[in-house]
Amino acid sequence: EAGVTQFPSHSVIEKGQTVTLRCDPISGHDNLYWYRRVMGKEIKFLLHFVKESKQDESGMPNNRFLAERTGGTYSTLKVQPAELEDSGVYFCASAVNGHSSPLHFGNGTRLTVT
Amino acid sequence: DQQVKQNSPSLSVQEGRISILNCDYTNSMFDYFLWYKKYPAEGPTFLISISSIKDKNEDGRFTVFLNKSAKHLSLHIVPSQPGDSAVYFCAASEIVGAQKLVFGQGTRLTINP
Repeated sequence: EAGVTQFPSHSVIEKGQTVTLRCDPISGHDNLYWYRRVMGKEIKFLLHFVKESKQDESGMPNNRFLAERTGGTYSTLKVQPAELEDSGVYFCASAVNGHSSPLHFGNGTRLTVT
Repeated sequence: DQQVKQNSPSLSVQEGRISILNCDYTNSMFDYFLWYKKYPAEGPTFLISISSIKDKNEDGRFTVFLNKSAKHLSLHIVPSQPGDSAVYFCAASEIVGAQKLVFGQGTRLTINP
């Protein structure tokens, strides 16, 4: 079984530019999550999709962040315009159902905003 | 305000000995606790969990202890092996089995030969 795949693995952009991160969950996993770890701190929840619907986006920091999951398969997370404080590692995770099944995390995208 | 705290950024243990990683939380509504392990350039991997109705859960070399009155949990690894060297994250949620997790900052465990 292929794991959660994230692309790119690294991205370096300048402040004010736009970046789009992509996540391919494990096939058949309806639940998809985005998390972020900033500056070696704790990993923080951003949002949760069930299929193509946003179930919970309470962790999204502001309206510069836009997540989509068209068709309920892969997801994208766009940051526009990027700010210095957006630097960090963005993790995607998927799960079979929304409860009791463990989260499977991808390897993350390391975003550096200069 | 950080609800889950891992106060030790790093821990060094000799191979074969016991590793004890600690975690404190402030939210009394948390009902479900997990430990994740993370290698460099990889995502976190689930290790073990415990619900608040238990005070101990064991899986092979890994045991998690929960002290609800003290709002404290710990992960014991015995015996420690070199492959256990990684960053360990404590996480919690208000619902058992939930996947919207609140994580601690992580503790880097190094197992010395």
